[in-house]
Amino acid sequence: GQQVMQIPQYQHVQEGEDFTTYCNSSTTLSNIQWYKQRPGGHPVFLIQLVKSGEVKKQKRLTFQFGEAKKNSSLHITATQTTDVGTYFCAGPSGTASKLTFGTGTRLQVTL
Amino acid sequence: DTEVTQTPKHLVMGMTNKKSLKCEQHMGHRAMYWYKQKAKKPPELMFVYSYEKLSINESVPSRFSPECPNSSLLNLHLHALQPEDSALYLCASSRARDFVNTGELFFGEGSRLTVL
Repeated sequence: GQQVMQIPQYQHVQEGEDFTTYCNSSTTLSNIQWYKQRPGGHPVFLIQLVKSGEVKKQKRLTFQFGEAKKNSSLHITATQTTDVGTYFCAGPSGTASKLTFGTGTRLQVTL
Repeated sequence: DTEVTQTPKHLVMGMTNKKSLKCEQHMGHRAMYWYKQKAKKPPELMFVYSYEKLSINESVPSRFSPECPNSSLLNLHLHALQPEDSALYLCASSRARDFVNTGELFFGEGSRLTVL
């Protein structure tokens, strides 16, 4: 079945440093979504990318969808302590209703 | 604040108990989901309801029994669970349901289940 891997599994940065997580799918995706889950919280939708090579920005967050639509990345510029959490990518698997989550990248930010 | 409400937030049950998890949304979404999440793992899809009909069952053991009484409510009935079923159970809903685009998932805060 479809596998969605993310690297790194964990990253610890100092506040102000940049952070990037990479998402790789074993199959071509029609679209990809990104979610953030704070410690003890629930996943919260960040963005959806649909087009090959698409780049979207949300303040300090930059999302990219690969040309082959099999990979994606999330880059955070100048991290803040509020960025702490686990970032998941997710893509449809088979039917659209089946959203498969990536393995996640846990981000820790210290002062 | 989340627009998907789950109750209870915490549940402790024995292996012989019967309990239910409840989920409610009033966003007019016609797709609702149950996900299971173990610590430090991604959410794993269990069931999908589309227009109140079960459309996906990810080979979940029969001790988990979903129910969708109407377009706003989703239940998960639990019976004879095992300790390894202890996890965070997340309910979600989405607006769109077509062949290529699930649409954004709105998650509830989850029900943290402990099976003794």
